[in-house]
Amino acid sequence: DAKTTQPPSMDCAEGRAANLPCNHSTISGNEYVYWYRQIHSQGPQYIIHGLKNNETNEMASLIITEDRKSSTLILPHATLRDTAVYYCIVRTGNQFYFGTGTSLTVIP
Amino acid sequence: EPEVTQTPSHQVTQMGQEVILRCVPISNHLYFYWYRQILGQKVEFLVSFYNNEISEKSEIFDDQFSVERPDGSNFTLKIRSTKLEDSAMYFCASSAIRDPNSPLHFGNGTRLTVT
Repeated sequence: DAKTTQPPSMDCAEGRAANLPCNHSTISGNEYVYWYRQIHSQGPQYIIHGLKNNETNEMASLIITEDRKSSTLILPHATLRDTAVYYCIVRTGNQFYFGTGTSLTVIP
Repeated sequence: EPEVTQTPSHQVTQMGQEVILRCVPISNHLYFYWYRQILGQKVEFLVSFYNNEISEKSEIFDDQFSVERPDGSNFTLKIRSTKLEDSAMYFCASSAIRDPNSPLHFGNGTRLTVT
């Protein structure tokens, strides 16, 4: 079962930052936090992952709290193409357990 | 950028028929996976595969399912006798190494419709 809790849906204005929260209060010290998104029925697309430190790549930033019990995915300038379901996943072993994610709608 | 490719994009079959779903993982990746997503439901793990054998499998992956890497590039999922409830999107994924720090990269899936 998924070890994460995410709000079921969020809206964000186009051009603004989208901040997607995730709770993972039972995370273990060696478990990574991964973010994926799924646009329509396409395959899950890798966004970013991290263990303890904040991470940034060309798609997004990942902020992990010091106690690692929660994290936030930040899309700095949301576009209409960022409308998707976003999954926060705590990686246990070699598998990914997908929850129900957050459905992000970017509004023009 | 390298990507995982899956064929066909859509497969329609009659109940009881065998289907083979095909995947070409990213070329230097060593670990391969199949996931499925029934319409409107979660993405579910089916099986992982490394070094020509199954590493892990879920309860969903029963005797009706099998996986194979027939050559150096393809990775296949076979369903021997399809049932209506096998209708779903099937996603193949691959990762470079077996390490929690190594992301899985997914293909765009095969939509299987069993009639």
